[in-house]
Amino acid sequence: AQRVTQPEKLLSVFKGAPVELKCNYSYSGSPELFWYVQYSRQRLQLLLRHISRESIKGFTADLNKGETSFHLKKPFAQEEDSAMYYCALSGLANFNKFYFGSGTKLNVKP
Amino acid sequence: GAGVSQSPSNKVTEKGKDVELRCDPISGHTALYWYRQSLGQGLEFLIYFQGNSAPDKSGLPSDRFSAERTGGSVSTLTIQRTQQEDSAVYLCASSLLLAGGLDTQYFGPGTRLTVL
Repeated sequence: AQRVTQPEKLLSVFKGAPVELKCNYSYSGSPELFWYVQYSRQRLQLLLRHISRESIKGFTADLNKGETSFHLKKPFAQEEDSAMYYCALSGLANFNKFYFGSGTKLNVKP
Repeated sequence: GAGVSQSPSNKVTEKGKDVELRCDPISGHTALYWYRQSLGQGLEFLIYFQGNSAPDKSGLPSDRFSAERTGGSVSTLTIQRTQQEDSAVYLCASSLLLAGGLDTQYFGPGTRLTVL
């Protein structure tokens, strides 16, 4: 079955500390992985996607096919990074369906 | 330019009534998605439109749910005989389909549906 798992509902770190939001997936074909972010009172928006291999706001994510993971990382967290983060998956060549994880709330403390 | 808009922003209805939720995608976006977000849950994919066609309706949770898209633009999600478990935020997103694949999904603000 196609599934995205985010094991942490809440992650609290201090400003300047490294942060890693975990995402594991199950998909029978070739996946395209995404991270979406929702800041307080704002719309859900794309943070980054694997195929672009970009670093956005200092965040990176590496697709590990062996471990079926797509963890989101940032070396030095900022208070403005506090938000809900969702990992999502679709087919690399088939965008008929998207699968989202349940989300991780990141709280960056001053 | 204008982003994805959804109406109404809030809808309170009584159990058993029908409701209609509307999504206005970004002009020119051929792909349109509907999702449901229940309290404390992630986004549940409901349906995808490519133009006016929905190739796969299996994500709709029951036959009380239906969706259509006309003119390659506005989409409507209809829930018949609403039940309390239908209470959720319904999100719409639109995107361009490019030769190399899907462009960024842009989300609307959502419609919060409460079934009493």
